[in-house]
Amino acid sequence: ETGVTQSPTHLIKTRGQQVTLRCSSQSGHNTVSWYQQALGQGPQFIFQYYREEENGRGNFPPRFSGLQFPNYSSELNVNALELDDSALYLCASSSAPGTAMNTEAFFGQGTRLTVV
Amino acid sequence: DAKTTQPTSMDCAEGRAANLPCNHSTISGNEYVYWYRQIHSQGPQYIIHGLKNNETNEMASLIITEDRKSSTLILPHATLRDTAVYYCIVRVSGNTPLVFGKGTRLSVIA
Repeated sequence: ETGVTQSPTHLIKTRGQQVTLRCSSQSGHNTVSWYQQALGQGPQFIFQYYREEENGRGNFPPRFSGLQFPNYSSELNVNALELDDSALYLCASSSAPGTAMNTEAFFGQGTRLTVV
Repeated sequence: DAKTTQPTSMDCAEGRAANLPCNHSTISGNEYVYWYRQIHSQGPQYIIHGLKNNETNEMASLIITEDRKSSTLILPHATLRDTAVYYCIVRVSGNTPLVFGKGTRLSVIA
């Protein structure tokens, strides 16, 4: 186990609804990244949070947003859900940018979101 | 887009060495080679990384060619539990985003 926990593990939502996914980072890690993995594809980077601010973003629309809290846990929010948002959403934690070179990212087990 | 090319799938007999190749011909001098794997329905798991020297840990060995344009991940004695998708990633530093391709699906056969 990596120490990164995500909740819920599975979720079914209706098109147009909003969803919030949660992630607790590994102890000592203060950077959290979110990835979307569609079926049969590799994970795609959504965004990264460090010290409660977004400090990197992939090619995802603004309806994908996030938060990081003082305890380094994080949320991913998706508004106006579309059918194509159905995927496995992965959270990864790592140590702070610039404090240690080449620290690996540790992933949670993911939240499987189904939009119907 | 991913800067690496990997075979779509490979088979390996249980107990034998699994050698997974990766091409990264456009790798920059400050980019490291990382390997992750993803067992079905789980999050990706870090395996190993290196810059230009060969590396070994308890899970695997990483062989990087002298020109750094390709590398090979070696699982010395594959077991059924090593069946997974293996991703080769080039990355500047430890906190830049991971750019995943489609990886290699390794099937270890009894």
